[in-house]
Amino acid sequence: GAVVSQHPSWVICKSGTSVKIECRSLDFQATTMFWYRQFPKQSLMLMATSNEGSKATYEQGVEKDKFLINHASLTLSTLTVTSAHPEDSSFYICSARARQGRNYGYTFGSGTRLTVV
Amino acid sequence: AQSVTQLDSQVPVFEEAPVELRCNYSSSVSVYLFWYVQYPNQGLQLLLKYLSGSTLVKGINGFEAEFNKSQTSFHLRKPSVHISDTAEYFCAVTYSGGGNTPLVFGKGTRLSVIA
Repeated sequence: GAVVSQHPSWVICKSGTSVKIECRSLDFQATTMFWYRQFPKQSLMLMATSNEGSKATYEQGVEKDKFLINHASLTLSTLTVTSAHPEDSSFYICSARARQGRNYGYTFGSGTRLTVV
Repeated sequence: AQSVTQLDSQVPVFEEAPVELRCNYSSSVSVYLFWYVQYPNQGLQLLLKYLSGSTLVKGINGFEAEFNKSQTSFHLRKPSVHISDTAEYFCAVTYSGGGNTPLVFGKGTRLSVIA
């Protein structure tokens, strides 16, 4: 089945530094990648949608200069949290969609727990 | 735009008892519906999905859900739960017309199975 590998699983960084999160589709081509953020005991909130080779589309209220998304290939998308602050601490999850087919799947990464100290 | 309401934030149930987790959606267009399970500090695992066809959908781990268009519901059921079913469950919806539409999630239901 479709697998998305997300790294790192958890990261602790100092305030003011940047953190990069990677999501790789291992056995399919991810034409679209969605990035979500999840606060403790809350639902997943969509941050942005990225298509391979084009700029990401950000949801209202999400700072595009702070959350840099790159989707340079059909198997790799990255989210970089720039100048991280404690309020950016959260669980970040990517979701990849393959070219539309019979299974119409959304495959999720295992998530990244970011703690900014 | 689509939206999802999960009516119960927490559902405690005894082991081997049946359970129903409720989900209602709102949309002006036709949709696809999904149920996911999330264990602590992990990503989401697909339980089942409704795309078209039979309104009763069977998924993994003994779960099933029924799509009811007139009531705009997609409730998740399991006839007999196990301790290992303790987790967070999310109902999600997306536009069925194709394109790069994301999943929209409900707020989740915490299922706690009591021994």
